[in-house]
Amino acid sequence: EPEVTQTPSHQVTQMGQEVILRCVPISNHLYFYWYRQILGQKVEFLVSFYNNEISEKSEIFDDQFSVERPDGSNFTLKIRSTKLEDSAMYFCASSLQRGGAQPQHFGDGTRLSIL
Amino acid sequence: SQQGEEDPQALSIQEGENATMNCSYKTSINNLQWYRQNSGRGLVHLILIRSNEREKHSGRLRVTLDTSKKSSSLLITASRAADTASYFCATVMNRDDKIIFGKGTRLHILP
Repeated sequence: EPEVTQTPSHQVTQMGQEVILRCVPISNHLYFYWYRQILGQKVEFLVSFYNNEISEKSEIFDDQFSVERPDGSNFTLKIRSTKLEDSAMYFCASSLQRGGAQPQHFGDGTRLSIL
Repeated sequence: SQQGEEDPQALSIQEGENATMNCSYKTSINNLQWYRQNSGRGLVHLILIRSNEREKHSGRLRVTLDTSKKSSSLLITASRAADTASYFCATVMNRDDKIIFGKGTRLHILP
């Protein structure tokens, strides 16, 4: 069964540094998402992306965050100047149709640790 | 804000017993979904129930939805050790892109 893959599985970065988290969504999916989960807390929506532009973003997704689909397969999340509070699991997801019309398929996440 | 809140926060049962988890939310929805998360892994979609549906089955899973009470339940029958995981309800509003997750129920199946 096709799956969403994320790399790296664990990223350790100094505060203030830029970090790029990578995702390869399922190949025929059209909608892409990033979520994050701070340790012990619930999964929070960050951003959705369709047709090469952001379709929705949360208040967490401030100017330090950006997303890109540089080619036909990768979907990236960039954090420009990381803060300690950015430490979390970051999950990428993709779906064939918009929002919850069909299930979103999640990757196993990238654990981001900011020192 | 619209949010799924699961109850109980944690549940331990003997293997073979049924597990029931509940979810409440605040505003009208397009659909409600249940996801499972094994420790250190991503979320796995289990079942989606639309606002005009009242009950849905998938294998050992049974989900109910009561839109008048803004609540849903997930029943896992004949539980197995492999069912040990966190279970999240997630709601989608009309014309929304995002899924709003609750805090989850940690289910532990005892051998």
